[in-house]
Amino acid sequence: GAVVSQHPSWVICKSGTSVKIECRSLDFQATTMFWYRQFPKQSLMLMATSNEGSKATYEQGVEKDKFLINHASLTLSTLTVTSAHPEDSSFYICSARGDRGHGYEQYFGPGTRLTVT
Amino acid sequence: ELKVEQNPLFLSMQEGKNYTIYCNYSTTSDRLYWYRQDPGKSLESLFVLLSNGAVKQEGRLMASLDTKARLSTLHITAAVHDLSATYFCAVDLSGSARQLTFGSGTQLTVLP
Repeated sequence: GAVVSQHPSWVICKSGTSVKIECRSLDFQATTMFWYRQFPKQSLMLMATSNEGSKATYEQGVEKDKFLINHASLTLSTLTVTSAHPEDSSFYICSARGDRGHGYEQYFGPGTRLTVT
Repeated sequence: ELKVEQNPLFLSMQEGKNYTIYCNYSTTSDRLYWYRQDPGKSLESLFVLLSNGAVKQEGRLMASLDTKARLSTLHITAAVHDLSATYFCAVDLSGSARQLTFGSGTQLTVLP
């Protein structure tokens, strides 16, 4: 149990376009999901916390108008990178927080590699 | 602000040798996670440590947590090439997986 999927696994887009990444919890409900960004050879950096039915909470320095997060259901959160630029190229990883039945742990998706040309 | 420091950042070791990766953190927490990441892949959960003195073992890896010293260790016994990966510790300040702070990672290379 506790499987999280992401789609797409990789995407290439042109500068100025928008890209949507989906994060789904497949076999459990997640009221809270998280979006991380990882640059090559670096650690994971939390971008935002996504709560079902409410606005996401963004970490300091993350532009909420650029990285739009929607958590419309208990199994789906989406991250939209708007007006993407080459510096947005990164590995984006989502996680879903399991409830007490899943040991209060974050379960990580397989990641989405975004390349902006 | 919580700081999580891992050392070493890079570790190259011979097969069959033992070594320990250290994870120090600056604020009290009773909950710590260890993850493995292969190149181009996401995180794989290795251990969840939930209390002071917790020790968990899986195969050639053993993790421990000393909350008083704010220190966790990941010990590798008789390393094999398949263990080559980057290992991250993550400290949970919330106690319920609402807020993880990751260490910088240790890139392990096991040489034949």
